[in-house]
Amino acid sequence: GENVEQHPSTLSVQEGDSAVIKCTYSDSASNYFPWYKQELGKGPQLIIDIRSNVGEKKDQRIAVTLNKTAKHFSLHITETQPEDSAVYFCAATPRDDKIIFGKGTRLHILP
Amino acid sequence: DGGITQSPKYLFRKEGQNVTLSCEQNLNHDAMYWYRQDPGQGLRLIYYSQIVNDFQKGDIAEGYSVSREKKESFPLTVTSAQKNPTAFYLCASSSGAGELFFGEGSRLTVL
Repeated sequence: GENVEQHPSTLSVQEGDSAVIKCTYSDSASNYFPWYKQELGKGPQLIIDIRSNVGEKKDQRIAVTLNKTAKHFSLHITETQPEDSAVYFCAATPRDDKIIFGKGTRLHILP
Repeated sequence: DGGITQSPKYLFRKEGQNVTLSCEQNLNHDAMYWYRQDPGQGLRLIYYSQIVNDFQKGDIAEGYSVSREKKESFPLTVTSAQKNPTAFYLCASSSGAGELFFGEGSRLTVL
């Protein structure tokens, strides 16, 4: 069935280092892959997304890569800062009215 | 400001009681969603609605009910049939272009 696997579930990195979160999806019909950031006690917010017609997208310190052949995509955060501490969710959309989320990664930025 | 408003932020319920969570949006979005979030479980879809007066069950609809009488409003009722209702509930809306806009969430605790 439709599934999105996300790893790791928890990630701790030193401030200033890079963080990478990886996701794999099962439905090859998926063509839109958003990433959401959820701060404590709040709703998730979109931070970056990528569509299946491109392999990489970058926005300042955040980048996402997509490998459609392998059905996996990754979030890269460089020069991490304390405000990057949050839970991050990846998602895939096998059709327009269906969004499947990964289980989330709790990112801790260590001082 | 445009956005999604959920209320109440915190809610306590005795076993056997029904409770209704409010979700209002002024983004003029057609699609609205309800998700349940439990620790380590990610976001699980309860119900969604693509248009007024129509809605569909998500992955975990049992014990919940919704209505969509107005475009702006999509209330969720947690009924006494829901066996484990303590959770964080998130409402979202979308224009259909992919991005979900989430509310701040409602935390329900059953006493």
